[in-house]
Amino acid sequence: NAGVTQTPKFQVLKTGQSMTLQCAQDMNHEYMSWYRQDPGMGLRLIHYSVGAGITDQGEVPNGYNVSRSTTEDFPLRLLSAAPSQTSVYFCASSYAGPDGNTIYFGEGSWLTVV
Amino acid sequence: ILNVEQSPQSLHVQEGDSTNFTCSFPSSNFYALHWYRWETAKSPEALFVMTLNGDEKKKGRISATLNTKEGYSYLYIKGSQPEDSATYLCAFKTGTYKYIFGTGTRLKVLA
Repeated sequence: NAGVTQTPKFQVLKTGQSMTLQCAQDMNHEYMSWYRQDPGMGLRLIHYSVGAGITDQGEVPNGYNVSRSTTEDFPLRLLSAAPSQTSVYFCASSYAGPDGNTIYFGEGSWLTVV
Repeated sequence: ILNVEQSPQSLHVQEGDSTNFTCSFPSSNFYALHWYRWETAKSPEALFVMTLNGDEKKKGRISATLNTKEGYSYLYIKGSQPEDSATYLCAFKTGTYKYIFGTGTRLKVLA
């Protein structure tokens, strides 16, 4: 069972470079999201999607773009990397709806911007 | 501002000890409360999803209770083992697509 797969696991970028973090899930989940994890803070939502073609901003969206062309894939783009974007990024997915659906997380992507 | 707080931030216990942590959340706009176990360099793994006031869930030596009226959930670990060492994370679901995560309780079980 693949679950949620995100790549790359580690990346070092120079300030101003762009890159895409890939995320794919094979559970046919409607809801997908990207979080960042910083020391001393809870997971913070960057962007989310409730289905193909539908995306919305989370708590900390600036500097990031997303798209959802298929149910399976939800890439996160850093447009012009800044040191403040050094963080651990987690992709997550679940069934949508008001009930308590379990969230499944990818294994994380460690990004350093120098 | 909706806030989810977990206490303690970190905890060291001896093997065999029982322990518990707290997740405090707003008592309004409650949809669900999630608990996750998060080992270093791995992805958070779901332990429990709780939706009803008074819910009690159990998985082996780990159990959780929920009080939505006063806004707290307890996670209990009975007879802690070194393999229980991890960060325990709670997430408060406050809308169809809105989750607020706590900062976690880091547990270290000493052999």
